[in-house]
Amino acid sequence: DADVTQTPRNRITKTGKRIMLECSQTKGHDRMYWYRQDPGLGLRLIYYSFDVKDINKGEISDGYSVSRQAQAKFSLSLESAIPNQTALYFCATSSRNTGELFFGEGSRLTVL
Amino acid sequence: QKEVEQNSGPLSVPEGAIASLNCTYSDRVSQSFFWYRQYSGKSPELIMSIYSNGDKEDGRFTAQLNKASQYVSLLIRDSQPSDSATYLCAVNRNNAGNMLTFGGGTRLMVKP
Repeated sequence: DADVTQTPRNRITKTGKRIMLECSQTKGHDRMYWYRQDPGLGLRLIYYSFDVKDINKGEISDGYSVSRQAQAKFSLSLESAIPNQTALYFCATSSRNTGELFFGEGSRLTVL
Repeated sequence: QKEVEQNSGPLSVPEGAIASLNCTYSDRVSQSFFWYRQYSGKSPELIMSIYSNGDKEDGRFTAQLNKASQYVSLLIRDSQPSDSATYLCAVNRNNAGNMLTFGGGTRLMVKP
C-alpha cells in the first residue's frame, strides 16, 4: 500500500460544484502539503500544514480551502469549481528535519 | 529571477550516453538539494539528495553540488529509454520551516 494515499484518483465535475480531495498518510509525518501541477508551470503550492492546528496558505490558495482532520489526514476543497482549476493535484508529506517530500499518486481533476 | 531554475528541455540523448541535467538556485543559504523524477501523469519520486559540496553517486546517478557557484547537477550514466521523464530540482532553503522550492523541471528523452 502507498504511504501517501489520495482519493479520488480521477474526477470529472461541472462548474460550480463543490469538490473535496482527500489525503491520508502512514509515514507518521507532521507536515502535509497540497500542490497543483499544470503543464509548463511545474509544481505550485496551494496550502500546507505543519501540524494539526497549523494551516498556511501557499502561493495559489485563492479558490481553495483545506482541513487537517488528524495528523494523518489533510483534505483539499474547491467550494465552487471553475474550469481553470482543471489540473493534477498532489498531496505530499515531510518530516520536520529534512524537508524531503513524499508524494501521493495524484488526483486528476477536470472541471467542465 | 526564479528561485530555482532549470532548462525545460527537452534534452535528447542517445541510449547509453551520459545525460547531464543542471539546476541553479538564487538563495545562498540553501543547504539541502533534491532531484525528483516524474514520469508523465505520475507523482514525483525522489532519486537523489545532496547536502555538501562535491559528488554523490548512487548507481547510474551522480549528483554534483557547487554551493559557491549555486548550482546542482544530475548525471545519468548509460542512459536508458526508461530514464525518459521530467527531472525536478528542489532546494531546501532551511528557512520558512524547511520548505522545498521546485524548479520547473527538465524533460529528458533517451532515444533507442
